[in-house]
Amino acid sequence: QSALTQPASVSGSPGQSITISCTGSTSDVGDYNYVSWYQQHPGKAPKVMIYDVTNRPSGVSDRFSGSKSGNTASLTISGLQAEDEADYYCSSYRSSSTSWVFGGGTKLTVL
Amino acid sequence: EVQLVESGGGLVQPGGSLRLSCAASGFIFSSYSMNWVRQAPGKGLIWVSYISSHSDSTYYADSVKGRFTISRDNAKNSLYLQMNSLRGEDTAVYYCARKTSGHWFDPWGQGTLVTVSS
Repeated sequence: QSALTQPASVSGSPGQSITISCTGSTSDVGDYNYVSWYQQHPGKAPKVMIYDVTNRPSGVSDRFSGSKSGNTASLTISGLQAEDEADYYCSSYRSSSTSWVFGGGTKLTVL
Repeated sequence: EVQLVESGGGLVQPGGSLRLSCAASGFIFSSYSMNWVRQAPGKGLIWVSYISSHSDSTYYADSVKGRFTISRDNAKNSLYLQMNSLRGEDTAVYYCARKTSGHWFDPWGQGTLVTVSS
């Protein structure tokens, strides 16, 4: 059982928007703005898409955005494209124990 | 180009040991903290261990504490994970990942597969 809770799967059609939730606790997601999101294609290494809840690294499409409310963070992908089909993982730093926790992952299917 | 390349994975019997390596290039290795993250087949990501830039601090997930040891050699631009008393549940792809100035990981290596089985 993962420390952070994500839906197992989400789907959407090309051009649509989807949102993936990530629920933690006051010890991680709700503690500081240290939530990040990773995209992982099959057989590949994870790639950071969002860091510190809302920030996009250079090179990541502005179709990806993040937010947080209380103990739940969210990743929104707008204008879905076929190449967005992948697994997405949220992660949070736990300052009290200098550790990181991940969600169980969400499989995004582009219909 | 910033690059991390893991090696050292393979098949090991329960109770055995293995040492993973991660070769870094394209950045000043000694300026960054590093981590190991693992992923069991078909499962999610699990953080394993952290080491500060000059090895002053190390941290471990409870599941590996006392069995795994993280270390680094800044002169060789290399990160290591010594894994002892291996169990079936340690079977996973092990990734090394650079910790940024913040609290996220970028980049990640391509991973090395460790299989613990008799």
